[in-house]
Amino acid sequence: DAKTTQPPSMDCAEGRAANLPCNHSTISGNEYVYWYRQIHSQGPQYIIHGLKNNETNEMASLIITEDRKSSTLILPHATLRDTAVYYCIADGTGTASKLTFGTGTRLQVTL
Amino acid sequence: DSGVTQTPKHLITATGQRVTLRCSPRSGDLSVYWYQQSLDQGLQFLIQYYNGEERAKGNILERFSAQQFPDLHSELNLSSLELGDSALYFCASSVGQMNTEAFFGQGTRLTVV
Repeated sequence: DAKTTQPPSMDCAEGRAANLPCNHSTISGNEYVYWYRQIHSQGPQYIIHGLKNNETNEMASLIITEDRKSSTLILPHATLRDTAVYYCIADGTGTASKLTFGTGTRLQVTL
Repeated sequence: DSGVTQTPKHLITATGQRVTLRCSPRSGDLSVYWYQQSLDQGLQFLIQYYNGEERAKGNILERFSAQQFPDLHSELNLSSLELGDSALYFCASSVGQMNTEAFFGQGTRLTVV
């Protein structure tokens, strides 16, 4: 699986959009980009995933660059409850047994 | 609430002991995964079961074993416990064998003293 690189931490004001970047320059054609988050020692929570096209669901939007070497997770209106560690994962196996959680980005949402 | 239930939430035990962690997957999910999260190792995959059979193995120690029962609940058995086994143990479930959208439980925090 491709290695992903994320900034260790980010801050965001409540109500503003949080844009979390992820670099996956070695991603291969069959690897999806997945985002999970973990709120303070709770179990990780699936957010969204995509292959080439931008994706949106009720939680977030995922923007993948045309060359697929990087992506951005967007939380459109961050709240205090979005404070968490966000993990970007590149995976081509289609199974949660192969998910490799790196160190992620710790997002702190502040008033 | 993910629908995945893990018991107990907290467990404190002594070195050398054996413990059993239990996981009930979401209704309808056939795959169960076990992960370990320690401070120095991050979140690591241990083992996957699908419909009662072992499907994938990760960095699981020989002192650890797991099984999935006919009612699809799973148990992770940890024996000859060492201080370094202190960690959060998460169970996750998914519908099929090959789903990356997995739903995680709230974890069992194991402390070995």
